Amino acid sequence: SAVISQKPSRDICQRGTSLTIQCQVDSQVTMMFWYRQQPGQSLTLIATANQGSEATYESGFVIDKFPISRPNLTFSTLTVSNLSPEDSSIYLCSASGTGGADTQYFGPGTRLTVL
Amino acid sequence: AQTVTQSQPEMSVQEAETVTLSCTYDTSESDYYLFWYKQPPSRQMILVIRQEAYKQQNATENRFSVNFQKAAKSFSLKISDSQLGDAAMYFCAYKRYGATNKLIFGTGTLLAVQP
Repeated sequence: SAVISQKPSRDICQRGTSLTIQCQVDSQVTMMFWYRQQPGQSLTLIATANQGSEATYESGFVIDKFPISRPNLTFSTLTVSNLSPEDSSIYLCSASGTGGADTQYFGPGTRLTVL
Repeated sequence: AQTVTQSQPEMSVQEAETVTLSCTYDTSESDYYLFWYKQPPSRQMILVIRQEAYKQQNATENRFSVNFQKAAKSFSLKISDSQLGDAAMYFCAYKRYGATNKLIFGTGTLLAVQP
């Protein structure tokens, strides 16, 4: 299984600013994903981070608000832009290897609070 | 569209006893995978157990086992000899076969373990 780290683990940001979250995997992986978990809720997929091309966004999530980069097979960033209190959530990165059956492993999450 | 339902928002079990968490799902696919993830207060999503739909045998991992009823689209998790460290939110998740396919999560069951 892959070991995944995220930075920062938590942050408090002001309305209107942006936060960039980094996700690092200890081995090369095929797929990387970004999820949002609002307080007391389940996980919702924001987008699939594609290496070398634009991310694939789920319905309700747009690139201008959640720009994603994936420069190589072990690293990805998610930026949450123009923050509002409604963006206060946990953001989780996950990764999986090759093959359709591959299990997704998760990073420890980033807790974002917007004032 | 695929959906995952966890009908028990909260459950409680005495230490050393057995508890079963319920999960049902809806899909028209034949190739898919089902997972149970555990999220303790640390918020790290931890894989508990995985079941391939094509396998008739129920998956087991130490004290954790599943009852997979494909025709009924039911996937329950049994925790035997419950320990205080088992207290967490448990999420059932579905994934269609294919590397790019996303995890679809249920709403979660909060498990409390009483000493």
